[in-house]
Amino acid sequence: GQNIDQPTEMTATEGAIVQINCTYQTSGFNGLFWYQQHAGEAPTFLSYNVLDGLEEKGRFSSFLSRSKGYSYLLLKELQMKDSASYLCAVASGGYNKLIFGAGTRLAVHP
Amino acid sequence: DGGITQSPKYLFRKEGQNVTLSCEQNLNHDAMYWYRQDPGQGLRLIYYSQIVNDFQKGDIAEGYSVSREKKESFPLTVTSAQKNPTAFYLCASSIGYRGRVQPQHFGDGTRLSIL
Repeated sequence: GQNIDQPTEMTATEGAIVQINCTYQTSGFNGLFWYQQHAGEAPTFLSYNVLDGLEEKGRFSSFLSRSKGYSYLLLKELQMKDSASYLCAVASGGYNKLIFGAGTRLAVHP
Repeated sequence: DGGITQSPKYLFRKEGQNVTLSCEQNLNHDAMYWYRQDPGQGLRLIYYSQIVNDFQKGDIAEGYSVSREKKESFPLTVTSAQKNPTAFYLCASSIGYRGRVQPQHFGDGTRLSIL
């Protein structure tokens, strides 16, 4: 079957660093995506990995290990506006079909 | 500005009624997608289209129908056969696959409720 796991909730302090993990078991793998979604709004694309390693984009970085079926999203210098849900999605099978995890709700506190 | 427009933002349906959700994009993207989001669950794929006049069922297509007559437009009809239509519906688009996955970009969503 297809399964994507990520923690349901996390809390962190403003200015700190937080790592959100995602593990997956899918029948195929073409890439892994991270999205940010504020409550009641549309998901916003953050980052994606096709090959193993770290991709850095400003305060956000994403890491992938295909052999371990594992990825993480690293958020540095946390700001209050980073309070949101973070969605992990795997492109599996043909075309651009994405399978989404249930999301991790991050709360950033002062 | 380029983007994806979904309308309406809120929609109410009576029992036994069909309703159509609009999705328009001016990003010149080949591929378009419809997802459903329920509280505490991940996005689930309803239908997708890689090219005009062609579309494929996703994981939860029952009770829904789509058309893709124009590149810019991918409307979703929620039929009376869909027994639990209350959800947040998201439309997305992307550059075509071309042998490499491409990020999908989302509209602002339509929240559908049953009266």
